[in-house]
Amino acid sequence: GAVVSQHPSWVICKSGTSVKIECRSLDFQATTMFWYRQFPKQSLMLMATSNEGSKATYEQGVEKDKFLINHASLTLSTLTVTSAHPEDSSFYICSARPDTSYNEQFFGPGTRLTVL
Amino acid sequence: GQQLNQSPQSMFIQEGEDVSMNCTSSSIFNTWLWYKQDPGEGPVLLIALYKAGELTSNGRLTAQFGITRKDSFLNISASIPSDVGIYFCAGRGGATNKLIFGTGTLLAVQP
Repeated sequence: GAVVSQHPSWVICKSGTSVKIECRSLDFQATTMFWYRQFPKQSLMLMATSNEGSKATYEQGVEKDKFLINHASLTLSTLTVTSAHPEDSSFYICSARPDTSYNEQFFGPGTRLTVL
Repeated sequence: GQQLNQSPQSMFIQEGEDVSMNCTSSSIFNTWLWYKQDPGEGPVLLIALYKAGELTSNGRLTAQFGITRKDSFLNISASIPSDVGIYFCAGRGGATNKLIFGTGTLLAVQP
C-alpha cells in the first residue's frame, strides 16, 4: 500500500516549451500533495503544497505562474513547468499525504526534467 | 528554504560495520522521519518517530527522537552493500507543519 506514481519518469524538452508532470496516489486518497525539486547532490526543496479543491500554496521564491499546479482529484496532482529553460532542469519529486494518516508522507519515484 | 543540519555528509565503510548519523534543528519538531534515496528515485520512508524520546527499530535500523525535540539519530547495524544510498532526515512541526529535509548523508559500503 501507500504507492505514489509519477509520469513521466523522465522528459527532455526544448527551451520555451511547457512540460506537464503527473502525480498519482494509487491506493489512497490525498487531499494534500507536495511538489519538491532536487538539484544534483542536494536535498529536496519544497516548491509548493497542492490542495484538492483550492489553490496551491507556493514557497517563497517559487513563481506560481511558471510552475502551475492543478489538484484535479483526491488522487491526482499535476505540475506544469511553463516556458521551460535550461535552469529548470532538475529532478522533480511529488509526495502525497494520506487523508487517513496526517503524519505520514509518501514520495513518488521522481521525474527527471532536462531542458535543452 | 529551511534545511536541517545532518551529519556526517558522507561515510565510506566496510561491510559489517555499524553506522550512525544524526540531524539537528534550531526548531522543535513534532515528527521525525528518516528516508533512503537511491540514485534517480524518490525517497523511501524507513522509520517514523512521533514522540520525544521514542526509540524505534526497523530491522537493522534504529532511530530515536531526541528528548529536546530538536534532534534525531539513525543507526544501521551490520551494514550490507545494499545499504548504499543517500539518507535524509526530515522533521515536521511549527506553525506550517511542513516537512523539512536534512542535507543528506551519502553512505558507501565496501564489500
